[in-house]
Amino acid sequence: AQKITQTQPGMFVQEKEAVTLDCTYDTSDQSYGLFWYKQPSSGEMIFLIYQGSYDEQNATEGRYSLNFQKARKSANLVISASQLGDSAMYFCAMREGNRGNTPLVFGKGTRLSVIA
Amino acid sequence: AAGVIQSPRHLIKEKRETATLKCYPIPRHDTVYWYQQGPGQDPQFLISFYEKMQSDKGSIPDRFSAQQFSDYHSELNMSSLELGDSALYFCASSSGTGRTSGRAYGFEQFFGPGTRLTVL
Repeated sequence: AQKITQTQPGMFVQEKEAVTLDCTYDTSDQSYGLFWYKQPSSGEMIFLIYQGSYDEQNATEGRYSLNFQKARKSANLVISASQLGDSAMYFCAMREGNRGNTPLVFGKGTRLSVIA
Repeated sequence: AAGVIQSPRHLIKEKRETATLKCYPIPRHDTVYWYQQGPGQDPQFLISFYEKMQSDKGSIPDRFSAQQFSDYHSELNMSSLELGDSALYFCASSSGTGRTSGRAYGFEQFFGPGTRLTVL
């Protein structure tokens, strides 16, 4: 079974509007971490935001926020006030277990296009 | 702030040749990871090292090997290259004591710019 599912292969959003990128995960571990990365066309992987399974508050980092719904096993990324530079591939990823340096498992990604 | 350094950035090899990719993690990071991202694919974990010892092993072919040296840099050695090895190879590093903006983070992995390997 897929550990990370991103159901939106592609998304379009108007500049200055908000957009939500979906991510659901599957794990039987109580301790895990969820990450979002941005990959522009240049190829680098840019860390955006992190949510720990025990964190009670949703993570926020500037224009990025993570809508964490533990019971539904979802960790959606919300980008507010979209900018043209937000056009990129976005990957949701998870690490499992108490050991903090376990490898990441990635979803298939969502390609976001911001329209002027 | 210092980032993960990878070299070379681009590499072109013929089938059956060998390649060595290098990674210099962020200073004081104790874990190094290698990922392979094929065209249009998500990154796949290959192998990781914690304090210079192999930590986890993923879908790394037997033709590949890796190690981490005393100065914490890591090398991924690839032999008998195949066309299917053409990919973007990322190195990432993480620290067990990540802390940003006063909030403890969960060992987030910071990625290098990647090495784009093309096998002809």
